[in-house]
Amino acid sequence: AQSVTQPDIHITVSEGASLELRCNYSYGATPYLFWYVQSPGQGLQLLLKYFSGDTLVQGIKGFEAEFKRSQSSFNLRKPSVHWSDAAEYFCAILPTGGGNKLTFGTGTQLKVEL
Amino acid sequence: NAGVTQTPKFQVLKTGQSMTLQCAQDMNHNSMYWYRQDPGMGLRLIYYSASEGTTDKGEVPNGYNVSRLNKREFSLRLESAAPSQTSVYFCASSETGSNIQYFGAGTRLSVL
Repeated sequence: AQSVTQPDIHITVSEGASLELRCNYSYGATPYLFWYVQSPGQGLQLLLKYFSGDTLVQGIKGFEAEFKRSQSSFNLRKPSVHWSDAAEYFCAILPTGGGNKLTFGTGTQLKVEL
Repeated sequence: NAGVTQTPKFQVLKTGQSMTLQCAQDMNHNSMYWYRQDPGMGLRLIYYSASEGTTDKGEVPNGYNVSRLNKREFSLRLESAAPSQTSVYFCASSETGSNIQYFGAGTRLSVL
């Protein structure tokens, strides 16, 4: 069965600093990869996705993520964090062999210090 | 453009009470999903419906039932609520052939 690991439960960064959130997955092949963001009291919003092709993908709100097959990773980055980026971030995978069952990581809570 | 709408937003139940969580989408999607979100566990799939008239169990279906009323609506029912069902419930939908799921704002349920 597939699984997703987000090793950092909480991360605190200063506004304007760079950010990297880690995501590792376990699956027999390359899955479809996603990052979602959940602002307080809100539902999940898709930040970006990787299906195939260029391993560096751009998303909304200035986020990007890089897929590294050798490391089974899909880390999320942002060069300069804004206070409004404080939220919980979820990495998720979807099997490429069919089906539509997303598997989520446990999430990383981002706090931004002003 | 409402997207995925969930009602109610908040609910408090006593152990043993029943209730139905409602979900409707206006994107004409074929597939719909129910997840629960618990601290430190991410989102886990309860049930899903690949198309109108079909439903399948997800990772944590025990204690829940679902109904795909029509293409727009997918409800989740708790017949006899238990404290272990205290959680935030999310509904999502996706189009067949698309790998992107769109989520509602969630229902916060407390079972006392």
